[in-house]
Formats: sequence, structure tokens, C-alpha cells
Amino acid sequence: NAGVTQTPKFRVLKTGQSMTLLCAQDMNHEYMYWYRQDPGMGLRLIHYSVGEGTTAKGEVPDGYNVSRLKKQNFLLGLESAAPSQTSVYFCASLLAGDQETQYFGPGTRLLVL
Amino acid sequence: DQQVKQNSPSLSVQEGRISILNCDYTNSMFDYFLWYKKYPAEGPTFLISISSIKDKNEDGRFTVFLNKSAKHLSLHIVPSQPGDSAVYFCAASGAPGGYQKVTFGTGTKLQVIP
Repeated sequence: NAGVTQTPKFRVLKTGQSMTLLCAQDMNHEYMYWYRQDPGMGLRLIHYSVGEGTTAKGEVPDGYNVSRLKKQNFLLGLESAAPSQTSVYFCASLLAGDQETQYFGPGTRLLVL
Repeated sequence: DQQVKQNSPSLSVQEGRISILNCDYTNSMFDYFLWYKKYPAEGPTFLISISSIKDKNEDGRFTVFLNKSAKHLSLHIVPSQPGDSAVYFCAASGAPGGYQKVTFGTGTKLQVIP
């Protein structure tokens, strides 16, 4: 049982490049989330999904797209990376009906030059 | 608009003493509150929670207090241990976003000095 895994762990991009961050969970959780963590800003919700095939915008969705084609995977895409997207990205999942525990992945550190 | 605020970015406490981490919120519709703990290079992990129908919840060395009228909650760690050194995030959920949508604070970095 790996929990929540994120790929890659670290990436450097040039401005304008694109990439996809992959999140996978093996706990059969319905809900999945993408957050970004920046100094002094805490964790801010980018997008989330309440089930396979559905996604919704969070607090800071601009510049990102997501897809949830399979229940266990949640992809975060950057079509044209900008330096403002330099951050640490965390994926999380939650069992429907469980108010408490979001399970987080280890994070992806992204540097956009 | 920061709906969940942790006004102290850092806190240092001697081992064995009490650590008190504070959190304020502005949205009166929040009715479920959580604390997460984060070590460097790891994702946050759930620590303890409290529902708005309670004013206290205890789990071992960790106690969370909720003052709804003041829109304030606090996390007490007694006694503090060096392994407690981490960043602590306060979080809140409930209407209107639903319990599946959680709003996090900015975090407080706790250092427990041996």
C-alpha cells in the first residue's frame, strides 16, 4: 500500500515549456486534490476532483489544467510554464464521507526559469 | 482574502514545556477544523481535528481547543518533544464548500529545543 505517490519529485522548466505532474493513490479514494505551497502562503488549492471524470476549480486555478480519467490518478498540467508557478506541489486524496484525513503525497518541487 | 490565519510564522519552545499554536478564522460557516503537521521534504500528515459542536478534543499529548464566538482555535502540545519540530497547518472545512474542500492557514514552524 503506497498511499499517495507523485511523479516527478523535482523538475526544472524554462518559461513557456509544458509539463504534467502525476498523482496516483491506491486507497480507492473518491476525492483528489492539487495544492501549491509557497513561502508565507500556506497550502492553496489549485483544482480538485470529487470523482472519476469530474474536476473543479480551487482557489488558484489559472495557468493549470487537470484531468481525472481514472479514479486512482489525478494529473496536473502546465501548458505554458511561468516563473510564478515555481512552487512545491502537493497532491492529496480523501475518502468520501471522511471529514478528517486528507492523505498527502511527498510533493513535487518545480522551478521555472 | 485569507480565511484561515496563523499569525505566528514561528515558535520556539524548550523540550518538556507546553507549545501553543494559534489559529483564527473569518468564515463563520466553517464547522470542522483540523491540524496537520509537516516535516521538511514530506507531505502534510493529519494530526487532530475538532467539530464545532465541541470545544475541546484530546489525543495523547495533543489537545485542540475551539472558541467559536472568537473564531479562534489553538493546538496545545504537552510535553513538547524535539520530534515535534515541524510546520503545523491549521485548516477548516464545512459549508459552503463542503467537507471535501479544506482551507489551510499559512503554517507555524515549531522548533522544540532539547
